[in-house]
Amino acid sequence: NAGVTQTPKFRVLKTGQSMTLLCAQDMNHEYMYWYRQDPGMGLRLIHYSVGEGTTAKGEVPDGYNVSRLKKQNFLLGLESAAPSQTSVYFCASSPPSAAGEYQNTGELFFGEGSRLTVL
Amino acid sequence: AQSVTQLDSQVPVFEEAPVELRCNYSSSVSVYLFWYVQYPNQGLQLLLKYLSGSTLVKGINGFEAEFNKSQTSFHLRKPSVHISDTAEYFCAVSGNRDDKIIFGKGTRLHILP
Repeated sequence: NAGVTQTPKFRVLKTGQSMTLLCAQDMNHEYMYWYRQDPGMGLRLIHYSVGEGTTAKGEVPDGYNVSRLKKQNFLLGLESAAPSQTSVYFCASSPPSAAGEYQNTGELFFGEGSRLTVL
Repeated sequence: AQSVTQLDSQVPVFEEAPVELRCNYSSSVSVYLFWYVQYPNQGLQLLLKYLSGSTLVKGINGFEAEFNKSQTSFHLRKPSVHISDTAEYFCAVSGNRDDKIIFGKGTRLHILP
């Protein structure tokens, strides 16, 4: 079982370049999230999605865009990379509650991370 | 909006000694609470969760946590740690009518021989 897969796992960019991180999950989860992890800052939520075709801003959305055209994929884009975006990026997905309500259980399944360096 | 405070950035503890990692949350609504663990160079995995019911929650690897609503705390405990518990531990909160899941800054557990 693949679970949550992130590509690429490593990338080096120059300031001003653009790139897209792909997150794919094969668990049929409704909810998907992008976090960034920086030393001493924990994980900070960038954007999230509660279902196909939906996106919403998290704690630190500036400089990033996302799309959820298919339920299994959640893309994170950097239009013009900056050194402050050097980080490890984690994607996660989450199922709804067992009762079938449109309610997040908060149980996250994480990918292995993507390390991005912006020079 | 929810927030999480992990009071200790690092906790050193001797092997086979007990440990407590502290977590306090802030929320105006009912919450779900979680502890996640991150081993070196890996992603995060769920240790345990509190959704409702019993305030004492048991998780994997011998860890447990107690939800204390009056003190808005969800401290993680283990009676006897092992070298393999060396990792970073994250507390997280979600409002039970909210889709955001917010993490604390993490506590790095160092096991001393």
